[in-house]
Amino acid sequence: KQEVTQIPAALSVPEGENLVLNCSFTDSAIYNLQWFRQDPGKGLTSLLLIQSSQREQTSGRLNASLDKSSGRSTLYIAASQPGDSATYLCAVTRNTGKLIFGQGTTLQVKP
Amino acid sequence: GAGVSQSPSNKVTEKGKDVELRCDPISGHTALYWYRQSLGQGLEFLIYFQGNSAPDKSGLPSDRFSAERTGGSVSTLTIQRTQQEDSAVYLCASSALAGGTGELFFGEGSRLTVL
Repeated sequence: KQEVTQIPAALSVPEGENLVLNCSFTDSAIYNLQWFRQDPGKGLTSLLLIQSSQREQTSGRLNASLDKSSGRSTLYIAASQPGDSATYLCAVTRNTGKLIFGQGTTLQVKP
Repeated sequence: GAGVSQSPSNKVTEKGKDVELRCDPISGHTALYWYRQSLGQGLEFLIYFQGNSAPDKSGLPSDRFSAERTGGSVSTLTIQRTQQEDSAVYLCASSALAGGTGELFFGEGSRLTVL
């Protein structure tokens, strides 16, 4: 059974810091891994999608890496801003089509 | 519409009543998902529709839960004889690609409170 773990559960940093969020999964036979952002009381917004054949994806100040063999992904946020404060979730997909989510990391960026 | 639309955004009901939650996916998206997010919990998979294939219902927690997708577009999640533990945010997502290979787009969710 696929399990997805995110560490840390919560993180508080001062504005301007670079930071890394971690995601690990137990079954390396995945199709892809996605990182999402969820603001309080809102739905999820897709940030980055990494296919199983890829090693990383970048969008603006965000960079996500994927190491299938070790079952790990990281989301790197450069020069963090207060507007980055949210919960970040990773999810993996296998051939069943459904996504398995981690519990999320709640990030607070202090001005 | 431009995004995934869910209704109602909020629903308060009494224990034992039936509720229907609606999801309008992005036009042309063949894959549609329902997830449930309880307070302080992660996202729990409920059901997955892909085109005309039989849906993956493996996540439905009990036979009080059912879902249908008419004409490959709009989906309705029905909860019969609601219980207090059904209180949660029900999220719908759609994707243009099958098998979870594409990016998922989520709606804002329907918050269900069972008194």
